[in-house]
Amino acid sequence: NAGVTQTPKFQVLKTGQSMTLQCAQDMNHEYMSWYRQDPGMGLRLIHYSVGAGITDQGEVPNGYNVSRSTTEDFPLRLLSAAPSQTSVYFCASRGEDDEKLFFGSGTQLSVL
Amino acid sequence: GEDVEQSLFLSVREGDSSVINCTYTDSSSTYLYWYKQEPGAGLQLLTYIFSNMDMKQDQRLTVLLNKKDKHLSLRIADTQTGDSAIYFCAETFTGGGNKLTFGTGTQLKVEL
Repeated sequence: NAGVTQTPKFQVLKTGQSMTLQCAQDMNHEYMSWYRQDPGMGLRLIHYSVGAGITDQGEVPNGYNVSRSTTEDFPLRLLSAAPSQTSVYFCASRGEDDEKLFFGSGTQLSVL
Repeated sequence: GEDVEQSLFLSVREGDSSVINCTYTDSSSTYLYWYKQEPGAGLQLLTYIFSNMDMKQDQRLTVLLNKKDKHLSLRIADTQTGDSAIYFCAETFTGGGNKLTFGTGTQLKVEL
């Protein structure tokens, strides 16, 4: 098992550009989520999904879109990047009856 | 809403015990977690405790939960340089679905 895989590891964007952060897990987990990590603020939930075809907003959803067409993949889209979206992004997944959240290694995004 | 707080920094000498503290506001917490983040990496689950327990020990790690004061602590015995990292507490709560609320993280520095 590879666990939770995120790509890319690093990305630099210009303001207004769009991009998709990829997340895939091979553990057949129903629950997947995206967090952003900013200094002194811990991790904040952006969007989450409890299964294929189902997504919901977290604490800080504005400026981000998600979709869940398969159990394995949960991409995060930035439609028009802003400097305020400079952050480290983590994808995480969990099995239905499992208390443990598994994290990817993160994507460091800079928006200039 | 729910809120989880931690002190930002802790410095200890190698071989000493470290105690990292966390306070939370939601009285309907179900599970409380401790995660470790090493530089450039994702979060790794260290241990977790169900809210009806008051202590859990796992090798060098001891988790204490005081539900009355809504206080969670992580004690690391015989702290080593490899324990230097950021430690996050997190909680899930009744009615919160699968969402975790994270603290701001405590940076532990272990000095020789």
